[in-house]
Amino acid sequence: SSELTQDPAVSVALGQTVKITCQGDTLRSYYVSWYQQKPGQAPVLVISGKNIRPSGIPDRFSGSTSGNIASLTITGAQAEDEGDYYCNSRDSRRYHLVFGGGTKLTVL
Amino acid sequence: QVQLVQSGAEVKKPGASVKVSCKASGYNFTNYYIHWVRQAPGQGLEWMGMINPSGGDTNYAQKFQGRVTMTRDTSTNTVYMELTSLRSEDTAVYYCARDVVVIQAAISGGYQGMEAWGQGTTVTVSS
Repeated sequence: SSELTQDPAVSVALGQTVKITCQGDTLRSYYVSWYQQKPGQAPVLVISGKNIRPSGIPDRFSGSTSGNIASLTITGAQAEDEGDYYCNSRDSRRYHLVFGGGTKLTVL
Repeated sequence: QVQLVQSGAEVKKPGASVKVSCKASGYNFTNYYIHWVRQAPGQGLEWMGMINPSGGDTNYAQKFQGRVTMTRDTSTNTVYMELTSLRSEDTAVYYCARDVVVIQAAISGGYQGMEAWGQGTTVTVSS
């Protein structure tokens, strides 16, 4: 099986830049996607594979991968960016998927 | 626009089964994989499996093999997820979600994420 590891919590000052990371061996081979989830709401895709931002997602969100670590960067964090962020990618097995444990982002 | 609308909340007793529906609209139903993801109270997201609405073929997470069945009805653009032998640990919000890219692109270019999500269905398992 495969694991994606995320820091449980991260904080950032309003207007500053924050990087949320996701570590896993399969990230060397497969795309990663990122989701934002606010309390009581369904997740929202903020970065898809190939680091593409879906329509409607602000350009302060960007993604990158280096080796086995994927990063979601928010440049100029806003209060509305508070929430839980999850990474998601393929497992090593036949088209099985896995989510990271999630990172709770606080904007101070 | 793309919409996934799920069935309403369910309360079940341990040992029972639940069947959740997810009706798709706004796109060609048979062109995109549909995934099921669940979230227990206060916990993270957990992938349960996926279905190809065109051929009906499925792929289940090992954890749910033998207990989950995903099906589809192309006449109503609806996918279903049935979970059997329910236990208290199955209490969660269950989401359906559509793949970002069409099936052929996912097969040739790789999985790239889940673009559209249903509103979620709360399933409570309690005696």
